[in-house]
Parts: sequence; structure tokens; C-alpha cells
Amino acid sequence: ETGVTQTPRHLVMGMTNKKSLKCEQHLGHNAMYWYKQSAKKPLELMFVYNFKEQTENNSVPSRFSPECPNSSHLFLHLHTLQPEDSALYLCASSQITSGGGGQFFGPGTRLTVL
Amino acid sequence: AQSVTQPDIHITVSEGASLELRCNYSYGATPYLFWYVQSPGQGLQLLLKYFSGDTLVQGIKGFEAEFKRSQSSFNLRKPSVHWSDAAEYFCAVGTNSNQFYFGTGTSLTVIP
Repeated sequence: ETGVTQTPRHLVMGMTNKKSLKCEQHLGHNAMYWYKQSAKKPLELMFVYNFKEQTENNSVPSRFSPECPNSSHLFLHLHTLQPEDSALYLCASSQITSGGGGQFFGPGTRLTVL
Repeated sequence: AQSVTQPDIHITVSEGASLELRCNYSYGATPYLFWYVQSPGQGLQLLLKYFSGDTLVQGIKGFEAEFKRSQSSFNLRKPSVHWSDAAEYFCAVGTNSNQFYFGTGTSLTVIP
């Protein structure tokens, strides 16, 4: 595997379910990100992890819980979601040598909450 | 505060025609600038980036972009558009503190 991978690619869940999204980067980067992309809205940064430490949480509801066990893996645990949480969830990674390297994105998980 | 503006929400061009997508940014220091492309249902793919040196940068798929400091712009261009270029395009700014700010995107439609 190369680049950034995300599983599952599609997920349908009820409002009472608990599920997790997984992201893995194979680029040797030390920063990872979760973004939410909804139709007709700008990309929303949710969480940032630098060297496995969470450095940013953009006022995300507690029903979203991130986990970064090491610099290559990032999870987003979901529970008691709302229909408005349906969106494309994108994971990205970058190297913390300043912003010049840019971010590399996974293909996303399309989440539908019923 | 840092921000990125893409003034064109949607652009339609004919196949074979030239393309220019506009991007303006607001950032107090020298920015790192990026263009990404997103096909439906996919993640964002890096097209090109600028952080120093020549202000005209070449990217993948025949795209190029020019950094103009005086205009705080980083417009994306392609001399001849192909039908496969139809997608959403995002401009982004990176900072020295490894923060990234994205524009709202420009949707490109290519007509035969």
C-alpha cells in the first residue's frame, strides 16, 4: 500500500450505532488530520495530531472521538451520530517541517447516518 | 487571519480551451501555496505547490500556477482542457506552523 488509505470507503449507520473509521499513512509523515466535507460547504478541519499528540480540536462534538496510537494510524470513533453528520470524511497526513510539503489525502469514507 | 478565496464557484469551459482558476490568499508571511483536485467521491490529489524560487510552478496533468505576491494570488492555468479535467479544484495555504487553510473550491465542467 502506498500513500494514505482509509477504511471503510462507505459506511451506513443508525443513530444508535458505534463505528470507527480508520486511516493509515505509508509516507513516513508525523502529522495526521481529519476533515469533514459536506456538500456545498468548505472543507472543515476536525482534528490534528502532531507526533501522536492532538494539537487541534475545532469544536467538534463529543460524538466524534479521535485516536492516534502511532504516527501511521489515525482512527475516528463514532457514536450516537445525527443525520447531519452524513458527509465525506477525509484523512490527510503531512510532514512537520513547516507547511511547505503539503498534505496528502486519503480517498475518504462516505458516511451516511440514518 | 489566514484565508483563501476562490471567487469562482463554478466554471464551464469547452474541451480544448484554456483554463484559469483564481485563488487569492491572506497571510502575513511568505505562504506555502497548493492546488488540489478532487474527482467525485474521491479524496484530494495534490496538483502542484509553491514555497520558494520560481514563481511559475509546473504540476501534474499539464497544470501550472503562478505566484504573484503583489496581488496575493496563485492562479491555476492549463492551456488546453481535457474532458477528464472536470472536477473540483481547491486552493490552499500552508503556514510555518503546519496549519492549512482551504478555499471553498471551484467546480469545473468541461463541455465537448
